[in-house]
Order: sequence, then C-alpha cells, then structure tokens
Amino acid sequence: ETGVTQSPTHLIKTRGQQVTLRCSSQSGHNTVSWYQQALGQGPQFIFQYYREEENGRGNFPPRFSGLQFPNYSSELNVNALELNDSALYLCASSNGPLGAQYFGPGTRLLVL
Amino acid sequence: KQEVTQIPAALSVPEGENLVLNCSFTDSAIYNLQWFRQDPGKGLTSLLLIQSSQREQTSGRLNASLDKSSGRSTLYIAASQPGDSATYLCAVSQGGSEKLVFGKGTKLTVNP
Repeated sequence: ETGVTQSPTHLIKTRGQQVTLRCSSQSGHNTVSWYQQALGQGPQFIFQYYREEENGRGNFPPRFSGLQFPNYSSELNVNALELNDSALYLCASSNGPLGAQYFGPGTRLLVL
Repeated sequence: KQEVTQIPAALSVPEGENLVLNCSFTDSAIYNLQWFRQDPGKGLTSLLLIQSSQREQTSGRLNASLDKSSGRSTLYIAASQPGDSATYLCAVSQGGSEKLVFGKGTKLTVNP
C-alpha cells in the first residue's frame, strides 16, 4: 500500500509569483485535505476535496485554490505569493471527509 | 470556534522516564481526537485516534485518554527513549466538519 506523497519537497519562489503543489492520496482514499504549517505553529486547514469537489474551506483568501483529479490526487495553487506564505504545506488523505487523515511528508515553500 | 491548547510547549526528560503530554479543547462536541508525531521539517505521523465514544486507546508504549466532558486528552509515553524525541501534536475534528483543528504541539526531548 502506497502512502501519501507530495511534490516537490522544497520550493523557492519570489513575491508575486504563482506556485503549484501536488499530492497523491493513499490507495483507497477519496478525500484530500490541505494544511499550512508556519514555523512553530500547528497546521491550519486550507480546504478539503472530496470526489473532485471542494468540501470545506478554512480562513484563506481566494488566491489559494485547488483541484482534485479522477484518481483522487490533488493540486494546491497559490497565486500572487506573499512573504508570509512561506511555510510547510501538508496534504492528508482519508477514506471519506470524516475519516482518519494520513499525512504526506510536506512541501517546504520559501517566498523571497 | 474550537481552540486546542497543548501544555507544556516543551519538555526535556531523561531516558527511561514515563511522561504525560496534555491537550485541552474548548468545544466538547468533537467527532474524534488524534495524536500525531512530527520530526523536524517532516510530515505528521498518526499515533492514536480516539473516537468521541471511546475513553482511551493504546499502542505499544503509548496510551491516549479522552475526557470529552472536561475537554481534555492526555498522551502517556512509558519508558521514554531518545528516539521518542519529536514534536507531538493533538488535533480534534467535529461532527459535520471536515477539518482538523490542531494545537501548537509539545516539543519532547529525551536525553540519553
């Protein structure tokens, strides 16, 4: 059974650019949730995708957007990057929106 | 709005000691509670999940308890080892809500 994978592992961007992060869910899981973790903080919920539809969103601006594909993998897109977008971005997959969430290794984004 | 607090923020113990990590939450109407481990710069590893109807869960040297009415959970680690050094995060989900709400974590250091 393959766990949750994320790519890339690290990324450096400059302010104003756009970025796309990718997540492959664990086998058998149909739900992906994205979280942002700033240094020294707990993860903050960005949004969740269930069966290719957004199924809940946290307190993040519209420049954070996402997609889920028919194979349940997912993308997180961030437009007009700001310095405080620098963080570890975590994705988690689950079997259904309320299932136990299993996390990937994360993507470390640095915005200069 | 659900808030999760973890005390202490950091803990340093000698190898072999038994220890307790604390988690409190403000809204007792939770669906489940999870304890995670996070190594520096890495993703989250799920340790234990307690459903709202359960009082405790055990896995090896770990035991997690849940007291929903008082809004508290504890993670007990027996016979600590240097390999247990990591940040431990507590997260709750609420019925009808797809997101996990995290505490800021407790950074544990086990000294040889």
